[in-house]
Amino acid sequence: GAGVSQSPSNKVTEKGKDVELRCDPISGHTALYWYRQSLGQGLEFLIYFQGNSAPDKSGLPSDRFSAERTGGSVSTLTIQRTQQEDSAVYLCASSNPQETQYFGPGTRLLVL
Amino acid sequence: GEDVEQSLFLSVREGDSSVINCTYTDSSSTYLYWYKQEPGAGLQLLTYIFSNMDMKQDQRLTVLLNKKDKHLSLRIADTQTGDSAIYFCAENYGNNRLAFGKGNQVVVIP
Repeated sequence: GAGVSQSPSNKVTEKGKDVELRCDPISGHTALYWYRQSLGQGLEFLIYFQGNSAPDKSGLPSDRFSAERTGGSVSTLTIQRTQQEDSAVYLCASSNPQETQYFGPGTRLLVL
Repeated sequence: GEDVEQSLFLSVREGDSSVINCTYTDSSSTYLYWYKQEPGAGLQLLTYIFSNMDMKQDQRLTVLLNKKDKHLSLRIADTQTGDSAIYFCAENYGNNRLAFGKGNQVVVIP
């Protein structure tokens, strides 16, 4: 079946603008994760959704970052007032609870 | 917090075996993973091992787990040029979140 898809694949924005990144998980997977991969920090966990439970936001680096998951499927990660240090690859993964995570191709964000 | 460590770079001749090592900190992790990332691509799950196992073999891949020392290794037999990539080990914790190592770049020399 189809894997995890993410859009856009690349995004260039100006400092101070807001951006929205989208993730379509594997159909039927109830768990969805966002990670960030940057040169200085490696791969970091950002946020986790499981079904209708309150999300685990413990990895979000600042209050400029937020995410939502509508209808238990598609998720949107929003970064407000982007800064240059937000430049990174944002990776989404989905899984069944406590099972192996499958990753999407990522969105490469460049903040100028 | 969780800390996963890997060495950074490995070069290997085509046909030889390559071994990548990793140490982790969370002894309660139920699974440990190896992911592969090719240039410009996302993370591809290579293999994983359940924490109560010592070894897992999957075709050219052998995973060894030493729980006492919190040490994980990945051996790739008969390394091919298509194996050139960055390899990440990861442990799960909390809500099945993954903590990743910094990655190990493997360059296969023809």
